[in-house]
Amino acid sequence: EAQVTQNPRYLITVTGKKLTVTCSQNMNHEYMSWYRQDPGLGLRQIYYSMNVEVTDKGDVPEGYKVSRKEKRNFPLILESPSPNQTSLYFCASSQRQVFNTEAFFGQGTRLTVV
Amino acid sequence: TQLLEQSPQFLSIQEGENLTVYCNSSSVFSSLQWYRQEPGEGPVLLVTVVTGGEVKKLKRLTFQFGDARKDSSLHITAAQPGDTGLYLCAGQNPNQGGKLIFGQGTELSVKP
Repeated sequence: EAQVTQNPRYLITVTGKKLTVTCSQNMNHEYMSWYRQDPGLGLRQIYYSMNVEVTDKGDVPEGYKVSRKEKRNFPLILESPSPNQTSLYFCASSQRQVFNTEAFFGQGTRLTVV
Repeated sequence: TQLLEQSPQFLSIQEGENLTVYCNSSSVFSSLQWYRQEPGEGPVLLVTVVTGGEVKKLKRLTFQFGDARKDSSLHITAAQPGDTGLYLCAGQNPNQGGKLIFGQGTELSVKP
């Protein structure tokens, strides 16, 4: 089954404690991205990757890091989480970042930073 | 910065009613997508419209892309409780490598 898998689904952590949210896709997609979803703001792109070892900032990259060492995996790293990073996070993949391509989303990770 | 404004943000209706959700921008998009998101899940693509004036139908859902490719609408006929969810429009920008720009979303609740 084609899918994007995120882990964990729920995470509560304390300010400053490094964490990683994993994302894996089994569709051999080149393009992957991370979004955060906040009430009234829709989905905002954090980082994206057009292929292995190619990553770039999205609209809200501050406080986040990513890596793309393998095509299937695209982890999101919060080196020193702060309460304003409390949000619902989604990983997405698509065949390529070209027009009319469907984006496949993971089930989301709800992060709370206290 | 390109923006997509969705309206309304919240909509609560009775089963059987019709509704329209709007997605507007001052910018031109190469295509526009509509996604539906259920609680605890990620968004799932419903449709992509690419030509100005294009109309697509998906059972009781009708999607339209504006002639100038700056706006879109989603019309649901005879809404059912199963239509409940968050509806998101997303535009692709030809000048930004096809990056998806999302509207704020419309939270639809259909009561039996």
